[in-house]
Amino acid sequence: QQQVKQSPQSLIVQKGGISIINCAYENTAFDYFPWYQQFPGKGPALLIAIRPDVSEKKEGRFTISFNKSAKQFSLHIMDSQPGDSATYFCAASLARQLTFGSGTQLTVLP
Amino acid sequence: SQTIHQWPATLVQPVGSPLSLECTVEGTSNPNLYWYRQAAGRGLQLLFYSVGIGQISSEVPQNLSASRPQDRQFILSSKKLLLSDSGFYLCAWSPPTQGSGYTFGSGTRLTVV
Repeated sequence: QQQVKQSPQSLIVQKGGISIINCAYENTAFDYFPWYQQFPGKGPALLIAIRPDVSEKKEGRFTISFNKSAKQFSLHIMDSQPGDSATYFCAASLARQLTFGSGTQLTVLP
Repeated sequence: SQTIHQWPATLVQPVGSPLSLECTVEGTSNPNLYWYRQAAGRGLQLLFYSVGIGQISSEVPQNLSASRPQDRQFILSSKKLLLSDSGFYLCAWSPPTQGSGYTFGSGTRLTVV
């Protein structure tokens, strides 16, 4: 019940396209849903986050869509750029602990 | 502002040698502290977390241990390293309140040879 399932495992997108990464959870007690971006050899960095009382949050080219009834949330990267090529992790928080998805390796082709 | 420091950045150690990785946080009090390990191309595995001095919870039984001797210091140790201990080790902190994200350190690349 503590799992967060992330898909796809890898994603290749052309420059200018939309990248979409999906996550699903079971535990309705989760109260915070962040997304992290990790470049090779670096620690993950918080990219954008949402709370379950909001259905969408947008920051620049990055948008989180949250569907509470379906227990799913997704990251949309608009106008994807080669610099967006990284590994993305979704996560869900409960009682000061984050449960991470398995990660998505995004490659944006120039 | 809060900052997290983790060192060393890279480490090559022989099998059977001891290990000590250190992590410190500045600019906050009573943070929650975490140690994660990431195998090449894999996800994040929680190893230990701490909500206060001397309070350590272990998620995965192994030959690693953690200690929190000071409020903003978190140490990952091993008495004898195994080849399987190789990986990318990440320290992270979060505020003591619920519903917050983590801030990760820059990581330590450990290679056991």
